[in-house]
Amino acid sequence: GAVVSQHPSWVICKSGTSVKIECRSLDFQATTMFWYRQFPKKSLMLMATSNEGSKATYEQGVEKDKFLINHASLTLSTLTVTSAHPEDSSFYICSGIRNTEAFFGQGTRLTVV
Amino acid sequence: DAKTTQPTSMDCAEGRAANLPCNHSTISGNEYVYWYRQIHSQGPQYIIHGLKNNETNEMASLIITEDRKSSTLILPHATLRDTAVYYCIVTRSGSARQLTFGSGTQLTVLP
Repeated sequence: GAVVSQHPSWVICKSGTSVKIECRSLDFQATTMFWYRQFPKKSLMLMATSNEGSKATYEQGVEKDKFLINHASLTLSTLTVTSAHPEDSSFYICSGIRNTEAFFGQGTRLTVV
Repeated sequence: DAKTTQPTSMDCAEGRAANLPCNHSTISGNEYVYWYRQIHSQGPQYIIHGLKNNETNEMASLIITEDRKSSTLILPHATLRDTAVYYCIVTRSGSARQLTFGSGTQLTVLP
């Protein structure tokens, strides 16, 4: 299957700082990528749709000014959690689309202290 | 996308077949049944998908009932590494492919 790589795998940051998470499609071009968030013992929840060359589309209840998404190339989408707070601690997962199929990154564990 | 219903958890003995059921009684004619699994602290992994015919690949088999209102994922010889949450998702192939994840089934393979 296609390969989607996320970096970093885990990060710990201080409250009030910003954290950038990268999602790369390694062997295909992804005009669309999706960002999900998963809290402990819960299912994945879609946060936003990242579109190459245009603005991201956010799901209801997700603050676009807090979760900045940039999709500047066909192989890279980034999610920046701005002014992070402990309640933003979660598992963030991206997916890229190849031939209408979704392939997921390995996820990023964010802990805000 | 059609809603799916799965048991919360299941156990299976190592080496035995694991049969994971999924109900999707409101599935539409153009919707596929997809199965993904998520091993702890990893991203979801694609397993298999089908429209109406039974499907088999190197990981699993998918049995879809004739009325398409339910399906069963079969792992023929479960190993400890198959312990994961298994998600059954119904969606139109060719759509934007954001996926709606339900609660899934926690499969625990016991030694």
